Amino acid sequence: SQTIHQWPATLVQPVGSPLSLECTVEGTSNPNLYWYRQAAGRGLQLLFYSVGIGQISSEVPQNLSASRPQDRQFILSSKKLLLSDSGFYLCAWSVSAGLLYGYTFGSGTRLTVV
Amino acid sequence: RKEVEQDPGPFNVPEGATVAFNCTYSNSASQSFFWYRQDCRKEPKLLMSVYSSGNEDGRFTAQLNRASQYISLLIRDSKLSDSATYLCVVNEEGYSTLTFGKGTMLLVSP
Repeated sequence: SQTIHQWPATLVQPVGSPLSLECTVEGTSNPNLYWYRQAAGRGLQLLFYSVGIGQISSEVPQNLSASRPQDRQFILSSKKLLLSDSGFYLCAWSVSAGLLYGYTFGSGTRLTVV
Repeated sequence: RKEVEQDPGPFNVPEGATVAFNCTYSNSASQSFFWYRQDCRKEPKLLMSVYSSGNEDGRFTAQLNRASQYISLLIRDSKLSDSATYLCVVNEEGYSTLTFGKGTMLLVSP
């Protein structure tokens, strides 16, 4: 069966520090991968998605970036965190565009920038 | 960007009640529809897909009205464990990603 792993579960980082969040998927090949952010009391905001190795689409311009170095690995990064980067970061995967089965989310990383 | 609109709630209902959520979407060419459930401080999880003819899964019934561009979720015989936020999700023609509504919070009380 397919599983998706995200780590760490929680993170407290100072303003201006770098960020690296990792997400891996097991049990499937060539998944579509997604990074979402959910700010406190807000909806899900799509940040990046990828349909293949090295292919990244950005939905929202900001100081975050994403990379997909391997088929089942998706990384979210920042060189310098801002206070406004605090939130709940969720990685998700889907078969193709997710039209049939939707997305499956990882358990998320709760980031607090202080 | 097309929108998916939901009543934010919260909906406060007693155990055993029937509750209905509606969701409207703006793109008439949308193809795929889902309901997700998100517990507090957890990731969203797929509750059910929504099919054109409507579909039922135990106490949950989903309906799609393409003419009016809305989706509904009916929960019968509410349980305390149904307390969560329910997210409406739509795929939009021309977009390769799903669009999530902001969710409707449900609180079921004893």
